[in-house]
Order: sequence, then C-alpha cells, then structure tokens
Amino acid sequence: AAGVIQSPRHLIKEKRETATLKCYPIPRHDTVYWYQQGPGQDPQFLISFYEKMQSDKGSIPDRFSAQQFSDYHSELNMSSLELGDSALYFCASSLRGVKNTEAFFGQGTRLTVV
Amino acid sequence: KQEVTQIPAALSVPEGENLVLNCSFTDSAIYNLQWFRQDPGKGLTSLLLIQSSQREQTSGRLNASLDKSSGRSTLYIAASQPGDSATYLCAVGPNSGYALNFGKGTSLLVTP
Repeated sequence: AAGVIQSPRHLIKEKRETATLKCYPIPRHDTVYWYQQGPGQDPQFLISFYEKMQSDKGSIPDRFSAQQFSDYHSELNMSSLELGDSALYFCASSLRGVKNTEAFFGQGTRLTVV
Repeated sequence: KQEVTQIPAALSVPEGENLVLNCSFTDSAIYNLQWFRQDPGKGLTSLLLIQSSQREQTSGRLNASLDKSSGRSTLYIAASQPGDSATYLCAVGPNSGYALNFGKGTSLLVTP
C-alpha cells in the first residue's frame, strides 16, 4: 500500500539559508499535517491543511510557511534557518472527511543546520 | 491545553514478558487516540487507533484500551520480543482542531 512520501530524506543547510520540504500524502487523503521533532523530544504540531486550506496552526515560526497544492501534496518552506531548526520534520496524512480517521506518518526529513 | 503523559518513560523487560504502557490525558473531549511506534531516528508507525466511542482495539499481540472519562489509555504487549524494542508514543486527537497531541513516549527495551 502507498504510504506518505517525504523528500528529501536528509538535508544539510547553513544558517540563514532556506529549505523546502515536500510531502506527498497517501492517495485520496485530504488532510496533511506537519510536525517537528527535536532530539529526544515528542513531535510538535506545526500546521495542517484540509482540502488545500490551512485548517490548524500550531507552534510554527513566522520564518516558516506551508501550503497544500491542487494535487494535495504539501511543501514546508523554511527561511533564515537557525541552528535550533535542526530536527526531524514529519508529514502525516489522513482522510479527515471520514470520522475518526487514522493519521499515517512519513519517514521524515532530517534537517541539519550548520 | 491538552497534556498527554506517558508512564513509564523507559522500561526494560526480558523476552516473553507481557507488559503495559500507560498514557493519560487531561482533557477528555477527544476525537480519537492513536498509539505509534518509533525506532531511533525513524518515522512513526501507527499501531492502533481507538475511536472516542470505543473501549479497546486489538492487533496481533497488541491491545489498546481507552477510558475516556478517566483520561487513560493502556497499550498491552503480549509475549514481548526483542524486535518490539522501540519508543512507543500515544497521541490524542482533539474534538476541535486537527493537531495530534503527543506524549513524550515510553522507551522499551526487550532483552533476549
């Protein structure tokens, strides 16, 4: 079965650079979520999209932005990167239109800022 | 704000033992609760989803229960195996909003 695909899997950037993370949800899933997991931490919710509209916003820095496109894939854009942005970034998808649906996570993008 | 707590933070058991991982949450107005497994540096694998109207779910050697009124869920692992070694996270889906609230996880080590 198709899973959530994230690219790239690993990314190394320098401080003040920009990064773009991509997420391809499971086919027919209408909701995408982004989470950030720092070393030894639990995943922290950043932002979500339902049917291409922002549906919820968590602790996403103003330097970050995201969108969901017409094909339901999503991109997380990160600018003016800081050392503290180094983390695993997860994308998840679900079929929110169906009640009590399960969220499926991708393998994550490991971002290292040097 | 929903607070999710997992106890214990770490657990080491010999192979073959049955074990219980605990998850508690402060706001009982939940949409669902999901248990995940995470291997070091890897993604989150969904193990079980319990709907707010359900009491338990089973998958193979795993059984998860939910007591919404008391704000508790347990994950029961039967006949543990070394391959079960991982961090187990519970996450609560709220009635309003889309964000899953995660606990900090229980790090499980099953020794041969």
